[in-house]
Amino acid sequence: AQSVAQPEDQVNVAEGNPLTVKCTYSVSGNPYLFWYVQYPNRGLQFLLKYITGDNLVKGSYGFEAEFNKSQTSFHLKKPSALVSDSALYFCAVRDGHTGGFKTIFGAGTRLFVKA
Amino acid sequence: SAVISQKPSRDICQRGTSLTIQCQVDSQVTMMFWYRQQPGQSLTLIATANQGSEATYESGFVIDKFPISRPNLTFSTLTVSNMSPEDSSIYLCSVDKGQGYGYTFGSGTRLTVV
Repeated sequence: AQSVAQPEDQVNVAEGNPLTVKCTYSVSGNPYLFWYVQYPNRGLQFLLKYITGDNLVKGSYGFEAEFNKSQTSFHLKKPSALVSDSALYFCAVRDGHTGGFKTIFGAGTRLFVKA
Repeated sequence: SAVISQKPSRDICQRGTSLTIQCQVDSQVTMMFWYRQQPGQSLTLIATANQGSEATYESGFVIDKFPISRPNLTFSTLTVSNMSPEDSSIYLCSVDKGQGYGYTFGSGTRLTVV
């Protein structure tokens, strides 16, 4: 069965500093990995995905994520954080090998960016 | 990506009653998914709804409590039956336009049961 872990409930970073939000996963086959963001009182928005190819994927709003197969990780990163990045971030995984469409979400990490 | 219209956006309901949530997609999709997000928590998959067949429910969710309809490729409903305060959550529908692509989510229904 697939699973995903976000070890940090909350990440605090100063504006202008780099940020990292951690995610590790477990699947039996090839992972399809996703990051979503949820702003206050708004719906979930897709940020980026890894299916195959380059381990570093770029997404919306300047975010990127690095797929590391040996560490089974897919950490979200941004070189310079903005106050407007403050939101709830979810990592998600699907087992690409089985061909299933079910996506499992992590518990979420709340990002606070201070001015 | 698909555009999803979900309604109602919020409701306050009495315990013991039922609420039906509607999800309309602007294009045909094979699969639609219903998630629940309890206060301060992550998304939990309730069921997967395919057109023309019974929904597939995840562990801990049953059809009697959460009946789902999928009459065509652009529409689905989720009913929360015999509600109790523990059902207070945000309910979200989502679609996947193709394998490997990210989900598009509806704006959610914020349900409060009193």
